[in-house]
Amino acid sequence: DAGITQSPRHKVTETGTPVTLRCHQTENHRYMYWYRQDPGHGLRLIHYSYGVKDTDKGEVSDGYSVSRSKTEDFLLTLESATSSQTSVYFCAISDPLAGFIQETQYFGPGTRLLVL
Amino acid sequence: AQKVTQAQTEISVVEKEDVTLDCVYETRDTTYYLFWYKQPPSGELVFLIRRNSFDEQNEISGRYSWNFQKSTSSFNFTITASQVVDSAVYFCALSEAEGSARQLTFGSGTQLTVLP
Repeated sequence: DAGITQSPRHKVTETGTPVTLRCHQTENHRYMYWYRQDPGHGLRLIHYSYGVKDTDKGEVSDGYSVSRSKTEDFLLTLESATSSQTSVYFCAISDPLAGFIQETQYFGPGTRLLVL
Repeated sequence: AQKVTQAQTEISVVEKEDVTLDCVYETRDTTYYLFWYKQPPSGELVFLIRRNSFDEQNEISGRYSWNFQKSTSSFNFTITASQVVDSAVYFCALSEAEGSARQLTFGSGTQLTVLP
């Protein structure tokens, strides 16, 4: 299994509060991704990173920001959480230029976020 | 824009039956990758298979087999002699092959329940 951890695994917060989710990898992969999973939508890309301090938006980036100051860590921040951001958040890693296996995205265990 | 459609929202079968999960995709790219992931009740996402668009050879792995047909833009997944442990949500996904971001576009998933 790819070495990917997410913290926290569960979080309950109130509307309007800031929230930061952390993804940590031990595989030294260049690319890291944040997805959210909602019923009926599968997984949708929020943001991704292709290197330290290099990030780009995905399909559903409004209300989210990201940062990557080290290869191994990718942070997702909800500046002011809303109830519509209640979801399961998955981090994924890959390294498309490193070979067949590394090209595939492997996912972390997920974080369940409830915004009241 | 890329799109993946999994028309079967839920499927229920009795153990030892064969079951096929359908996946239809849309893309303007001439080269692309197709994936299947499994999400068991525990919630993690497990990678099952990746196929390249230029390789239409079907693949079999134990009780699992995949039928890729570019002519119909389909990448169907068959489980032979299903078992209770196969109960999960199965996601089909598509990514570009050109460029390094390799963002995944997911279908909405098929909930498979295998009854004893």
